[in-house]
Amino acid sequence: AQKVTQAQTEISVVEKEDVTLDCVYETRDTTYYLFWYKQPPSGELVFLIRRNSFDEQNEISGRYSWNFQKSTSSFNFTITASQVVDSAVYFCALSEARRGGFKTIFGAGTRLFVKA
Amino acid sequence: GAGVSQTPSNKVTEKGKYVELRCDPISGHTALYWYRQSLGQGPEFLIYFQGTGAADDSGLPNDRFFAVRPEGSVSTLKIQRTERGDSAVYLCASSLGGQSTDTQYFGPGTRLTVL
Repeated sequence: AQKVTQAQTEISVVEKEDVTLDCVYETRDTTYYLFWYKQPPSGELVFLIRRNSFDEQNEISGRYSWNFQKSTSSFNFTITASQVVDSAVYFCALSEARRGGFKTIFGAGTRLFVKA
Repeated sequence: GAGVSQTPSNKVTEKGKYVELRCDPISGHTALYWYRQSLGQGPEFLIYFQGTGAADDSGLPNDRFFAVRPEGSVSTLKIQRTERGDSAVYLCASSLGGQSTDTQYFGPGTRLTVL
């Protein structure tokens, strides 16, 4: 069965600190997709990144980077030099193919507070 | 272009009443999804449409919940005989196709409160 675990419920950092958000997933499929979304206080989920199960290359986009490790079923997200605007809830999600389409399962989220 | 829109943004109703929540997807997106998000939780899948048909409705919690997308664009989530436990934010998302690779773009949600 699918499962996404974000063990960190809340993280609080001071501006300019680096912070890593953990995501561990469970799946029996060999083909699947992983996502990170940001949900700022306004409430609208914002897509950050998509990664397929065959691509373990790490990715960097500005201050954001992602580390995908199939051996440990983890897809961690690091924010470098955090800023107050990074304060939000971050969700990791897993998508698998199903007959008729696919299903996406979200983790419970990690609330990040960045203090000035 | 315009993103996913949802109306109303807030809905307060009494236990036992019927409600309809509306979702306007991004123009040209064939796939549409409904999720429910309770406080402190991640979005929980409800139903997924590919075009006009419900490709997967396995997330609907019971037969009080129903969704339609008659013309393959706008979708309506309908909840009969609402219960207090139905209180949550209902999120709609759309994607260009219906593949697991497709990025889902989310609307701002409808906050439903059942008194």
